[in-house]
Amino acid sequence: DAKTTQPNSMESNEEEPVHLPCNHSTISGTDYIHWYRQLPSQGPEYVIHGLTSNVNNRMASLAIAEDRKSSTLILHRATLRDAAVYYCILKEGAQKLVFGQGTRLTINP
Amino acid sequence: DSGVTQTPKHLITATGQRVTLRCSPRSGDLSVYWYQQSLDQGLQFLIQYYNGEERAKGNILERFSAQQFPDLHSELNLSSLELGDSALYFCASTGPNTEAFFGQGTRLTVV
Repeated sequence: DAKTTQPNSMESNEEEPVHLPCNHSTISGTDYIHWYRQLPSQGPEYVIHGLTSNVNNRMASLAIAEDRKSSTLILHRATLRDAAVYYCILKEGAQKLVFGQGTRLTINP
Repeated sequence: DSGVTQTPKHLITATGQRVTLRCSPRSGDLSVYWYQQSLDQGLQFLIQYYNGEERAKGNILERFSAQQFPDLHSELNLSSLELGDSALYFCASTGPNTEAFFGQGTRLTVV
């Protein structure tokens, strides 16, 4: 399983943008970059995924480096409900999701 | 609501006992995954089933087993329980080319 590296924790303020980085220098050409998050006492929740191009959805944006060795999850205006552990995962096709330690995001009011 | 249903939500049992955790995937999803999340560990992949057949196996103990039935629901059986088996157990399901949807989990406490 290809490995990702994320900071253990990050902190931001409410209503400010948050940029969550992820390094994946050993990514293969067929790996998609997936982001999931886990709110306290809940199961993980899909956030976004992409292959090469930047992606936007109602929850977040995903910026992928040109060489694909890193990516950044962007929450445009963080709310208290965005406090969670965010996981960056490389996944090929129908393979299982392999979770690392993720980044624990704290949002200050 | 993810559409994935896990029962029971909470389970307290004694060491040495056996329990069964149940997962109903989202309608139409053929793949079911089981994960274990302990306090000091992250989400550990246990096993995956696809349309009734085992597809992938992770760090699943020999005391644990799972199966997926013709109606696509899945059960995770944990036997000879030890204190260290206390954890949250999550089930997830996926369809073709869709993201994974996770249930709310079963919190198992072994006393």
